[in-house]
Order: sequence, then structure tokens, then C-alpha cells
Amino acid sequence: DAKTTQPNSMESNEEEPVHLPCNHSTISGTDYIHWYRQLPSQGPEYVIHGLTSNVNNRMASLAIAEDRKSSTLILHRATLRDAAVYYCILRDAAYNTDKLIFGTGTRLQVFP
Amino acid sequence: EPEVTQTPSHQVTQMGQEVILRCVPISNHLYFYWYRQILGQKVEFLVSFYNNEISEKSEIFDDQFSVERPDGSNFTLKIRSTKLEDSAMYFCASSADYSNQPQHFGDGTRLSIL
Repeated sequence: DAKTTQPNSMESNEEEPVHLPCNHSTISGTDYIHWYRQLPSQGPEYVIHGLTSNVNNRMASLAIAEDRKSSTLILHRATLRDAAVYYCILRDAAYNTDKLIFGTGTRLQVFP
Repeated sequence: EPEVTQTPSHQVTQMGQEVILRCVPISNHLYFYWYRQILGQKVEFLVSFYNNEISEKSEIFDDQFSVERPDGSNFTLKIRSTKLEDSAMYFCASSADYSNQPQHFGDGTRLSIL
């Protein structure tokens, strides 16, 4: 399984943008980049995913580097509710598995 | 918005006893999963289930574990003879399709083995 590297923790102030980086230098051509987050005392929650192009949805934006070796999850205006552990996960569309392999993620703290 | 529901939210069981954790996946979903998270550790995949059979399982999912979809709505995880190290949060998830469709998780069952 291709691996991802994320900072252990990041901090932000409320209403500021947050850029959460993820390195995946061994990504293969068929790996999709998925982001999930886990709020305290809850199950993981899907945020966004993409392959090559940048993606936007109501929760966040995903910026993917041209060489696909890194990506950034962007929260445009952090709220206190965005405090969570964010996981960057690669899923291979060509491989016969759909399990999610979670790393340790980035713990985001949001200050009022 | 439809969601995955899990019961009970907390289960306390004596070591060696059988336990059944229950999940109601999102109604039109076809793929079902169990994950667990030991306190302070990563979320770990246990098993995936499709078309009434296991499609993949991890090394953790040994003979003490089994899964079942006994009717059209429930998805259960049974641990036959619980051990202390089975204490963890157990998360059920479901997805509409394979591979790149999002997996939707429940809020988990906290299993405490005494």
C-alpha cells in the first residue's frame, strides 16, 4: 500500500483558512487521494477525494500537485467544529480492495 | 441525511463471553465494513462484506470473529470468546459502491472487556 506522510498536529484560529498537507511520493497512477476526518468521540467522516484535478465540495477543497506526489486539504474558514484528526489516504482503483488504511493523521486544533 | 447507526453505544462484557455488535447501514448501500480503534491508536480495518459474503479480512479478524447480515437491514459483528485485548471502539461503515465511493461510518460501539 502506498504511504502518506502528514504532520502530527496543526493549529488555526477560527475563521482563518487552514492548509493541511500530505506527502505521497510513491503514489501510483491509479491511486485516488482521499481525505477523512474524525471528530472527538465520533467515527471517521468522508471529506473529499480526487485523482489529478483540484476538487471542491461544500466541506473543503483538495489541491493536488502536478506530479501528484503531494496534496493539500483546504478548509476555507475554520470553525471550532473543524477540530479533528484529518487523515490522508490513498486508495488504488486498480487493486482488488476497498479497505481504508488509516495512518496517524494530523490533529487540527482550532482556537476561538 | 441518511446515516449508519450502531448499537449499543457502550458494551461491557466479561472476558470469555460472546458479544454481538449491531449496525444498520444506509439503506441502499451494498458494501459493509467493520473497523476498530484501540484507545489512542489508529483505526484498523477488520473485514469487508458484499453480496452476503466476506470479500476481504485482516489478520486481526481471526476465527473468534464473524459477521452476518441476518436480514435486509442489520449487519452484525460477533466475537465468540472475548479477550481483554478486544477492548476498543468498533466502527461499522457502508458504501454505495466499490473502491472510490465514500465509506460512511457510524459513531461506534465502545467495547469494554473486564
